[in-house]
Amino acid sequence: EIVMTQSPATLSVSPGERATLSCRASQSVSGNLAWYQQKPGQAPRLLIDGASTRASGIPARFSGSGSGTEFTLTISSLQPEDFAVYYCQQYNNWRTFGQGTKLEIK
Amino acid sequence: QVQVVQSGAEVKKPGASVKVSCKSSGYTFTSQAVHWVRQAPGQRPEWMGWISDGNTNTKYSPKFQGRVTFTRDTSASTGYMELSSLRFEDTAVYFCAIIDLGDYWGQGTLVTVSS
Repeated sequence: EIVMTQSPATLSVSPGERATLSCRASQSVSGNLAWYQQKPGQAPRLLIDGASTRASGIPARFSGSGSGTEFTLTISSLQPEDFAVYYCQQYNNWRTFGQGTKLEIK
Repeated sequence: QVQVVQSGAEVKKPGASVKVSCKSSGYTFTSQAVHWVRQAPGQRPEWMGWISDGNTNTKYSPKFQGRVTFTRDTSASTGYMELSSLRFEDTAVYFCAIIDLGDYWGQGTLVTVSS
C-alpha cells in the first residue's frame, strides 16, 4: 500500500496570507495525485486533480504542483471559507489519503 | 443537476450487518461507477472500492474483502453497500461518490456499532 504523509499536521495562517501544504508518497505516484478540502460534517470536496489541474468551480487561488513523491498545495490569499482540513490522495495504485493538514485561523 | 442522496443513520450491534443506500439523479445511472468511502471519527477517509457502470463489476479494498458487497438497482438508480460481521471499529461515516462524472458525493451515513 502506498502511504501518504502530509505536513504540517496543523497550519496557523492569517486571512489574506499564503498557505503551503506538503504531501509525500512512500513511492512514486507519477502525477496521480488529488487534493481535497473537508469541512466539519461535510463530504470531501475535490480541489486539484492530476497534481495541478483545478477541479470545476475551484478558485484560482488554489494551485497544486509536484510529481513522483513530493507534492504541494498552495492557497495564495486565504479567505475565511478556506479554513478546513486538507487531504492529499494518490490514485496511482488503489486510492489512499494522507492524514490531513488542519488549516486554522491565526 | 446531479444529486446523490444516502439513507439515514444506523445503529447496529457487533456481528450484525448494515446496508446503506445511495440514490442518484440527474444523469444516466448505468453510465457511471459508484464509489464507496468511509471515514472513522477524526480519521482520514478510506476508499472501500466501487461497483462499475453497466456490467456491475466490483473492486474491493483488501481490508474489506469478504465482508463488503456492493450492488446496484438500475431501475431505482440506487447503489448499495452492505458490510457484514460489524465490529466496533466499523463505526464511521460512509459516503458514496460519483467521481468519474465530476465530484459528486452523498451526504454521508453514520453507522454506529455499539453493544
